[in-house]
This record gives sequence, C-alpha cells and structure tokens, in this order.
Amino acid sequence: QKEVEQDPGPLSVPEGAIVSLNCTYSNSAFQYFMWYRQYSRKGPELLMYTYSSGNKEDGRFTAQVDKSSKYISLFIRDSQPSDSATYLCAILAGNNRKLIWGLGTSLAVNP
Amino acid sequence: DVKVTQSSRYLVKRTGEKVFLECVQDMDHENMFWYRQDPGLGLRLIYFSYDVKMKEKGDIPEGYSVSREKKERFSLILESASTNQTSMYLCASSSLDRVGTEAFFGQGTRLTVV
Repeated sequence: QKEVEQDPGPLSVPEGAIVSLNCTYSNSAFQYFMWYRQYSRKGPELLMYTYSSGNKEDGRFTAQVDKSSKYISLFIRDSQPSDSATYLCAILAGNNRKLIWGLGTSLAVNP
Repeated sequence: DVKVTQSSRYLVKRTGEKVFLECVQDMDHENMFWYRQDPGLGLRLIYFSYDVKMKEKGDIPEGYSVSREKKERFSLILESASTNQTSMYLCASSSLDRVGTEAFFGQGTRLTVV
C-alpha cells in the first residue's frame, strides 16, 4: 500500500463550482499535512498546511484533516480559471525533512 | 523572496554523457532535495541533503549522484545519461528550524536524453 494515495483526475469543473480534492494516507503517526499547487511548467508552491486534525481556512481555500479516517481534503470555493493547476498533497515524515507526495490531481476550471 | 534557481530550463543530452544539474538557493536552508517528476508517477525523491557534504538516498537513486560542497548549492549528476532519465527534474530547499516547514522549489529542468 502506498503511503499517500491521490486520485490524479483529471477534474474539470465550471467556474464558480466548489471543488473537493482528497488524499488518503496509511501511517497514523503523520501529523503535518500540506497542499501544493503546481502550474504548468512551474515548480510546486505551498498553498496551505495543517497540523494534526481540524480545518484551516485561507480565503477561498479550506484544508481539512480527519486523522481518524486518515483522510485529507482541500476545498476550493467559487473556483476561478486561475485555479487550473495540479494540486499535490504532501505529508511531512517524522524526521522533519522528507515529504511524502501524492501523485497530484489535475484541475481545470472552465470559464 | 526565497529563490531556488536551477541552472537550465531545458537540456538535451546524448546517451552516455555525464550530465550536471545545478541548484542554488539563497535562504540559507539546511535541507536540499532533488526530485524527478513523470506523468503518472508523480514526484519521486532522488537524493536529499541536510547539511554540507551530507547526502542521503531517496527512493530512486540508481544512476544518479549528488554533491553538496557549499550550503547554498546542490548538484545532481547523471553519471551516464540514459533515455529513461528523460524527465522533469526539480530541486527544492527547506529550513530545518521550522516544524511543518515549507519546501521551496525551483522552476525545473526538462532534460531530454537522446
């Protein structure tokens, strides 16, 4: 079983839709969960990170962690064409150095 | 602004050549990483380094080596390039100090081996 699973999509939604992106993970000891966004032909950049369980909100973006289910989510409200990108979940391994990555979900928001 | 700079955006090399990919960061980060990114396989860690002259193998180190002589510079070396090393290579750096710290990425090098 992979340590982090993420459906690669692609996901295509109309502008204004609510988008839900998800990952599951296998190790209950993981505590730091991140979402990176990668535009075409660019390196990934950090969008949000959360520690342990709960929600974190930043503008139109909400990151959610459910440790009991080992499930992490990123919600995008009022999606915009500029949100079209690949979204990667990443989990910080216990030694604080290595990130374990999902495959990334490709999102297209259509005007 | 944090900057991670990779020496080339696009590179074409011949099979068997020795290839050097250079990465420089300007934030005094301890950790530096080399990844390759392929469709359907995601980001895969090749090597990482958490200090000068220190290195650790990642998930796919075969056919690669690295060098970290100075804190700000981390080089990836393809000893004898092969066509299956055609890929997007991404360098990243992060700080050891902050828990849950962000990894900053370079813009990537698209390497084609012919």
